[in-house]
Amino acid sequence: DIQMTQSPSSLSASVGDRVTITCRASQSISRYLNWYQQKPGKAPKLLIYAASTLQSGVPSRFSGSGSGTDFILTISSLQPEDFATYYCQQSHSTPITFGQGTRLEIK
Amino acid sequence: QVTLRESGPALVKPTQTLTLTCTFSGFSLSTTGLCVSWIRQPPGKALEWLARIDWDDDKYYSTSLKTRLTISKDTSKNQVVLTMTNMDPVDTATYYCARTYSFSWFDYWGQGTLVTVSS
Repeated sequence: DIQMTQSPSSLSASVGDRVTITCRASQSISRYLNWYQQKPGKAPKLLIYAASTLQSGVPSRFSGSGSGTDFILTISSLQPEDFATYYCQQSHSTPITFGQGTRLEIK
Repeated sequence: QVTLRESGPALVKPTQTLTLTCTFSGFSLSTTGLCVSWIRQPPGKALEWLARIDWDDDKYYSTSLKTRLTISKDTSKNQVVLTMTNMDPVDTATYYCARTYSFSWFDYWGQGTLVTVSS
């Protein structure tokens, strides 16, 4: 199975900050990497697919980059509604695997 | 408009078999490239993918749970069913179904159903 490791596990930041979250795969997954945002009590929401493509309706302050084993999710200027947990997921091969999540909290 | 909705028991006893149904609309699982997966999330923990069924009836399972899982579909009813045998309290989680197109990302999710395993 491909292991997905996110860092950090939690992060405190302020409105307006630039934030980066890293996801590392245990083997190369090309660009088969997707990012989700999850708020308490809600289903995950797709933010970015294929490493860098913004899902329709997602604000442009979100961006993704990377290929192979190392990927980054960047939020350019945090807004109050961005405080949530973020997950990466590889779709390179089954079994599909997720990262352990990064909890983004208000400082 | 694509929607998915999970249904099943909220409470099961240890050793029992769990049966969950995902009822969807806005797409057909007979369409080439479309797939439905089950994903779960224990309280306060990360997402865990469980199983996937494809439009051509191919099935894939979590390595650690494959001996306990069975996924099936009823295309005429727009439903995907997941059974999990020998339930244990550690299986307490919110169970989601989600759609994938062409083995890619999960673009639509159900709202999830919380299953508690307790005697």
